[in-house]
Amino acid sequence: AQSVTQLDSHVSVSEGTPVLLRCNYSSSYSPSLFWYVQHPNKGLQLLLKYTSAATLVKGINGFEAEFKKSETSFHLTKPSAHMSDAAEYFCVVSEKAGFQKLVFGTGTRLLVSP
Amino acid sequence: EPEVTQTPSHQVTQMGQEVILRCVPISNHLYFYWYRQILGQKVEFLVSFYNNEISEKSEIFDDQFSVERPDGSNFTLKIRSTKLEDSAMYFCASRQGLAGEGEQFFGPGTRLTVL
Repeated sequence: AQSVTQLDSHVSVSEGTPVLLRCNYSSSYSPSLFWYVQHPNKGLQLLLKYTSAATLVKGINGFEAEFKKSETSFHLTKPSAHMSDAAEYFCVVSEKAGFQKLVFGTGTRLLVSP
Repeated sequence: EPEVTQTPSHQVTQMGQEVILRCVPISNHLYFYWYRQILGQKVEFLVSFYNNEISEKSEIFDDQFSVERPDGSNFTLKIRSTKLEDSAMYFCASRQGLAGEGEQFFGPGTRLTVL
């Protein structure tokens, strides 16, 4: 069975400072990993995905994540937070094969202060 | 840019009533999904649908739930007799079908409130 653990329910940063959202995964298979973002009253938007190519993945809006198999981690980072980054972030795992249902983490709410 | 759409955005219903949530996936996508998010909880998989049949379903997706693709564009989720605990945000998603590589595109969700 697959699972995802997001270690922080809330992360607070100041605008212009780095962002780190932590995610650890468990998977019996070679996984695909994703980060999705959900702004208030909006749907889920894909930030980035890891499938099997480069372990450092770059996404939209300056976010990136590094797949570390030895640590079973897929942490999301951004060098400099912007006010518009304030949202809920979900780390997600799925199998590469089959019908690829997504298994979500519990989410991390990112708060950005001026 | 093509997107997944869902209607209605909000649905309020009485316990025991039937509801149908509608989704229009992206037109060339082959795989369809429903997820739900109870307030304050994580997003949970309900069901996947491919080639006009259910391919996988979770234990949440009991006999009260059904899905259908009645025509070439719509994908619906029906709850036959709603319970209070069905109150949640329901998300539809679709995937093009590239094996191992295709991301799921999500709609904006339907907020279902059961009174």
